[in-house]
Amino acid sequence: NAGVTQTPKFRVLKTGQSMTLLCAQDMNHEYMYWYRQDPGMGLRLIHYSVGEGTTAKGEVPDGYNVSRLKKQNFLLGLESAAPSQTSVYFCASIQGGSNGGYTFGSGTRLTVV
Amino acid sequence: AQSVTQLGSHVSVSEGALVLLRCNYSSSVPPYLFWYVQYPNQGLQLLLKYTSAATLVKGINGFEAEFKKSETSFHLTKPSAHMSDAAEYFCAAASEQAGTALIFGKGTTLSVSS
Repeated sequence: NAGVTQTPKFRVLKTGQSMTLLCAQDMNHEYMYWYRQDPGMGLRLIHYSVGEGTTAKGEVPDGYNVSRLKKQNFLLGLESAAPSQTSVYFCASIQGGSNGGYTFGSGTRLTVV
Repeated sequence: AQSVTQLGSHVSVSEGALVLLRCNYSSSVPPYLFWYVQYPNQGLQLLLKYTSAATLVKGINGFEAEFKKSETSFHLTKPSAHMSDAAEYFCAAASEQAGTALIFGKGTTLSVSS
């Protein structure tokens, strides 16, 4: 089925470890986004990309890096995980402009101990 | 800076009562607006969206929202609450910048009692 796939769905990391979250979409969407969701805070934008090879910072980018080497994939990296990065991470994509539909992945629940 | 404010982090209603979840936005121009619902341990589901075609927008599960430019509001309503409506609801606006990323409110948890 067409959509946005996030891997992994769950992960537990130790403080200082690194990991990469993968977001893959098969709808040929131009724009992709990474959000984190924390209780009482809603979803906050970490980084976004408006096309292959481009990335930009969102509201809460510190501690994260991203890459968009292929149009269909948007990777979110944590170089040295901290407990404050314990969160649920959502990826989303859209063709371009905001009139259309934003497609969200099912989320990755990350715990840093 | 552009923002979305949801008034009331928690709303409680009785089954069969009116549901009203409030959302206000700040933007130099009226943005595209969205309401999402999230059930426990699940992802986001789109309820409805405003894209300037009509100010009263009907969505799924009997929900609707009215865009009021003069009040910069986009409140979500449902005439009669069901137990199954208990969830967290998010209002969002498409950003004027940031690659049209959605800017979310902090969410409102809806509880429905019998």
